Amino acid sequence: DGGITQSPKYLFRKEGQNVTLSCEQNLNHDAMYWYRQDPGQGLRLIYYSQIVNDFQKGDIAEGYSVSREKKESFPLTVTSAQKNPTAFYLCASREFTGGNQPQHFGDGTRLSIL
Amino acid sequence: EDQVTQSPEALRLQEGESSSLNCSYTVSGLRGLFWYRQDPGKGPEFLFTLYSAGEEKEKERLKATLTKKESFLHITAPKPEDSATYLCAVQAGNYGQNFVFGPGTRLSVLP
Repeated sequence: DGGITQSPKYLFRKEGQNVTLSCEQNLNHDAMYWYRQDPGQGLRLIYYSQIVNDFQKGDIAEGYSVSREKKESFPLTVTSAQKNPTAFYLCASREFTGGNQPQHFGDGTRLSIL
Repeated sequence: EDQVTQSPEALRLQEGESSSLNCSYTVSGLRGLFWYRQDPGKGPEFLFTLYSAGEEKEKERLKATLTKKESFLHITAPKPEDSATYLCAVQAGNYGQNFVFGPGTRLSVLP
């Protein structure tokens, strides 16, 4: 079955620690996205990538970093500079960069502070 | 600035009691409006795309409609399994980064 796999499902971060969230898709989609979801708020865009080896900052990129070395993979690192990292993180992909196809989402990673 | 609001914030219905959820938007150059269903602890599941005012889409008990300023998700004779948070998102402009999400409506359907 094609889809988007996020791991781990739950993650705990110690102060001063960097943690990496995994996102893999086998849909052969060009574009990939990372969102942060907080209670009562809409999804907020952290980073997005339209092609391999290229990515752009979204609205709340500070304290986060990404890489796109392979088409199917788009890992997100939450650095120690992100002072309020507790949230539900969602990865999405989309078939093409242009056009108006919908985004498809993984099942998220919930990050908490120890 | 592109904005999306959803109302009500939460809705409680009895099984079989039909109702509608609202998504209001202000964007420049709407390319598409998307409805998603999100269950607790899961990622959003795509339901519908609407492209132009007057368009309607249906799936089982759900029907989505679009005007120039808002979209409605009508739920007919809901069942408890329809309980979820329903998210609305709009795409503006030509590139994939211009998706703006609303905060969602949390729907509970009681048996």
